[in-house]
Amino acid sequence: SAVISQKPSRDICQRGTSLTIQCQVDSQVTMMFWYRQQPGQSLTLIATANQGSEATYESGFVIDKFPISRPNLTFSTLTVSNMSPEDSSIYLCSVSAGGSADTQYFGPGTRLTVL
Amino acid sequence: KQEVTQIPAALSVPEGENLVLNCSFTDSAIYNLQWFRQDPGKGLTSLLLIQSSQREQTSGRLNASLDKSSGRSTLYIAASQPGDSATYLCAVVGDKIIFGKGTRLHILP
Repeated sequence: SAVISQKPSRDICQRGTSLTIQCQVDSQVTMMFWYRQQPGQSLTLIATANQGSEATYESGFVIDKFPISRPNLTFSTLTVSNMSPEDSSIYLCSVSAGGSADTQYFGPGTRLTVL
Repeated sequence: KQEVTQIPAALSVPEGENLVLNCSFTDSAIYNLQWFRQDPGKGLTSLLLIQSSQREQTSGRLNASLDKSSGRSTLYIAASQPGDSATYLCAVVGDKIIFGKGTRLHILP
């Protein structure tokens, strides 16, 4: 298993600003994923954070809006840029030792409210 | 395109009852299916993972089954307890990981 922490746990931000969310894992993992969970909805994969290369974004998500860093095998950040109220969601980091076909472990999430 | 549906969306049952949560998916080309639990305002906790070659997995009072050909999985919870109250999500892993919208379960003391 893996223990994952996220910072901040929640934040309230003004429209037009940016927020960077940190994800720390207690062990080295190959793949880290960032998800969004909008109110009343299920999880949607934003991107896969690859160590040493650019993140792979899912359809509907772009690097300019959600830049991701993965400087090492235990840490990643997701930035939500130029925020609007539609970005109000829970953002979750997850990891998988064996890729997407293996058990996924999730962080506690970051609850973001944009005014 | 894979679609994952969970029925019912919400369920309330008295403590002690056995219950079944359902998950259906449209594309049977999957690697595995995972069941998660999400408590309010929290992240997800992995409950069970069933590989595509398996029919079921058990952990304590939980039993998950998988019928790939019919695109169905069930999560059986035996002797429910108030602490089981949470949202239960299934996720189908193929080329992508697709989550259902979840079943909100409330166990009445």
